[in-house]
Amino acid sequence: EDKVVQSPLSLVVHEGDTVTLNCSYEVTNFRSLLWYKQEKKAPTFLFMLTSSGIEKKSGRLSSILDKKELFSILNITATQTGDSAIYLCAPSSGNTPLVFGKGTRLSVIA
Amino acid sequence: NAGVTQTPKFQVLKTGQSMTLQCAQDMNHNSMYWYRQDPGMGLRLIYYSASEGTTDKGEVPNGYNVSRLNKREFSLRLESAAPSQTSVYFCASRGPPGDGYTFGSGTRLTVV
Repeated sequence: EDKVVQSPLSLVVHEGDTVTLNCSYEVTNFRSLLWYKQEKKAPTFLFMLTSSGIEKKSGRLSSILDKKELFSILNITATQTGDSAIYLCAPSSGNTPLVFGKGTRLSVIA
Repeated sequence: NAGVTQTPKFQVLKTGQSMTLQCAQDMNHNSMYWYRQDPGMGLRLIYYSASEGTTDKGEVPNGYNVSRLNKREFSLRLESAAPSQTSVYFCASRGPPGDGYTFGSGTRLTVV
């Protein structure tokens, strides 16, 4: 059975802090790992990672995958209140539906 | 704008009533999905359709039925709503295998 564990489940930080969100997974026929950000409505796509050790960046967000140890991290530097959201990770094994972790709820306070 | 359209956005039902949640995508995607999201539970798969003409159960299918009407549309039906089905429902579609999903904006359903 596929498993996805995200940690921490919730996090409160002050603006300007740096945060690291964790995602560990066990899936058969792993192809990629996806990160999503969910504010008040639907999840929106952040990153797709397919190769170990190659960092993907988008502004203050970055993510990296370790296929040997079966985990990924999402870093957010210089956090802003607009980063407050639930962050979801989901490993993909190709054709089968995505299995999502329970998410990390990040709250950034001014 | 291209994407996934879900209707309705909000709905309140009485226990035992039925309703259908509609979902349509205009990206020519083969695969479509229905998830529900409850506090602390993440997104859980109800049903999915890997291609037109096929549907399969997900993790939490009890109390639901689906129809893949054509390539664009995938509907979710609650035949006899129960309070345990109070949730936020998301439809999603995916193009090539391994790609990410595009989500609809969600339906907040309350069953009283």
